[in-house]
Amino acid sequence: GAVVSQHPSRVICKSGTSVKIECRSLDFQATTMFWYRQFPKQSLMLMATSNEGSKATYEQGVEKDKFLINHASLTLSTLTVTSAHPEDSSFYICSVRQDSSGANVLTFGAGSRLTVL
Amino acid sequence: AQSVTQLGSHVSVSEGALVLLRCNYSSSVPPYLFWYVQYPNQGLQLLLKYTSAATLVKGINGFEAEFKKSETSFHLTKPSAHMSDAAEYFCAVSNQAGTALIFGKGTTLSVSS
Repeated sequence: GAVVSQHPSRVICKSGTSVKIECRSLDFQATTMFWYRQFPKQSLMLMATSNEGSKATYEQGVEKDKFLINHASLTLSTLTVTSAHPEDSSFYICSVRQDSSGANVLTFGAGSRLTVL
Repeated sequence: AQSVTQLGSHVSVSEGALVLLRCNYSSSVPPYLFWYVQYPNQGLQLLLKYTSAATLVKGINGFEAEFKKSETSFHLTKPSAHMSDAAEYFCAVSNQAGTALIFGKGTTLSVSS
């Protein structure tokens, strides 16, 4: 199956700064990647669908100007949290869709824990 | 719209006991159903998936789940719990169009010796 790498695994930043999180598909070309957000002891909430070569599709309630998604290649999608605030502190997880099997199986990265001071 | 409901946010069992984690789904189209496991501060690992083939699906680590259309359920079971099974378990649904997975709220499984 696909191997998905996320970097950094943990990041601490000051309020007002921007943070970039990378999601790489190491052995699979992914036209579509998904970004999820998970608050402590809660479920994963879909933030946006990242499409290679085009604009991301954001879920209702997710600010596209705050959470910038770039999917410039078939193996890399980035999520940039701009002007971060403490309420943006969360666990961000990307996933890659393996649609060759037709079963819509998602492989997840290990996640990136963002703490905004 | 699709949704998933996991009954019981926390399940506690003794080592060697049966594990039963409940999941009910709502979908206007034939669903794809999944169970994922998450260990602390890690991503999600696929346990098993239902894709309209056999209704009884066997996964990794001795887990299995049965798709019951009449009950709109996809409960996860394991005959004998191990300490290493303690984790967060998520049920998820998607449609055939290949949209993102919709997750349930998760069930924390605790295993005592």
